[in-house]
Amino acid sequence: DGGITQSPKYLFRKEGQNVTLSCEQNLNHDAMYWYRQDPGQGLRLIYYSQIVNDFQKGDIAEGYSVSREKKESFPLTVTSAQKNPTAFYLCASSIEDREAFFGQGTRLTVV
Amino acid sequence: GQNIDQPTEMTATEGAIVQINCTYQTSGFNGLFWYQQHAGEAPTFLSYNVLDGLEEKGRFSSFLSRSKGYSYLLLKELQMKDSASYLCAVRGRGSQGNLIFGKGTKLSVKP
Repeated sequence: DGGITQSPKYLFRKEGQNVTLSCEQNLNHDAMYWYRQDPGQGLRLIYYSQIVNDFQKGDIAEGYSVSREKKESFPLTVTSAQKNPTAFYLCASSIEDREAFFGQGTRLTVV
Repeated sequence: GQNIDQPTEMTATEGAIVQINCTYQTSGFNGLFWYQQHAGEAPTFLSYNVLDGLEEKGRFSSFLSRSKGYSYLLLKELQMKDSASYLCAVRGRGSQGNLIFGKGTKLSVKP
């Protein structure tokens, strides 16, 4: 079945550690996105990529990094520079200008 | 830049009709999207408007006026399962082709 998969569903990180969240899609979508959602809040854009080997910063890119080496994959690294990383992270993909489809999300907690 | 406004919370009665408004300001416009998000889950796509007018899909309809920077989502024959957050999102053009979300409207449906 086609879809977008995020892993893991739950992730715990010690302060000062980098952690990478996985996002894979087999929908043949060119565009991929990473969002962060805090409790009771909307989605805030971290990074997005419209094509392989290219990506742009969103509104809250500081403390995060991404890569887009393959069309299917758009991993997000939460670095130690991100001071408040505990949140729900959502990855999405879309065909050009149409609707985006979301993965199930990764809930990151700093312990 | 882009700015999207929608009410924070709304309450409605089972079987009734509710209208959730969204106003937006964007430097380029290439579509408006509505999503439903149940607590703790990923958003799911509801509707897409790129031209002015009403799009109907079962119990859900969405309206767009580009000149006014305004959209609404209309939910008919409300059911308890419609209790969720409803997110309005706008896509820009070209290099601004990211997908920006409003903070969402939390709808509570009461018996």
